[in-house]
Amino acid sequence: DAKTTQPPSMDCAEGRAANLPCNHSTISGNEYVYWYRQIHSQGPQYIIHGLKNNETNEMASLIITEDRKSSTLILPHATLRDTAVYYCIVRVALGGFKTIFGAGTRLFVKA
Amino acid sequence: EPEVTQTPSHQVTQMGQEVILRCVPISNHLYFYWYRQILGQKVEFLVSFYNNEISEKSEIFDDQFSVERPDGSNFTLKIRSTKLEDSAMYFCASSEALGVQETQYFGPGTRLLVL
Repeated sequence: DAKTTQPPSMDCAEGRAANLPCNHSTISGNEYVYWYRQIHSQGPQYIIHGLKNNETNEMASLIITEDRKSSTLILPHATLRDTAVYYCIVRVALGGFKTIFGAGTRLFVKA
Repeated sequence: EPEVTQTPSHQVTQMGQEVILRCVPISNHLYFYWYRQILGQKVEFLVSFYNNEISEKSEIFDDQFSVERPDGSNFTLKIRSTKLEDSAMYFCASSEALGVQETQYFGPGTRLLVL
């Protein structure tokens, strides 16, 4: 089973920041937080990952709490094309380990 | 930017027939995976593959399934005798996995419909 808890759905206005929360209270010390998204039935798309420090790339920012029990994915300026299911995943960041997907958060970006 | 590619994009087959789904992982990647997603359900892990061996497989990956890396570029999933419940999207993924912080990159998927 997935080790994360996410709200089933969220809305966001186009151009505003989308903040997607994730709880992972049982995360182990060697597990990373990964975020993927799936647009319609396309393949999951990697967004970002982190261990304990905040991370930023061209797609998003990842804020991880100091106790690592929760995190927030931030899409700074959401567009209609960001409408997707967003998955928060915790896993060991070594090759060969399976990725366990939960139900994710369905983000609707509205004009 | 390098991508994982999959062929065919759609496959329709009759129950009991064999199907082979093909994937071309990103060229310098060492770990390969298959996942599936039944319509409306979660993405499920099937199998991971490294150094020409299965690293891990799920309960779904029974004797009807097999994987192979027949050459230096392709990675295939074979279903020997398809069942109606095998209808799903099948995603291939690959990762570089040198050292830590392995990231899996997914292909666009093959939609398999078993009639």
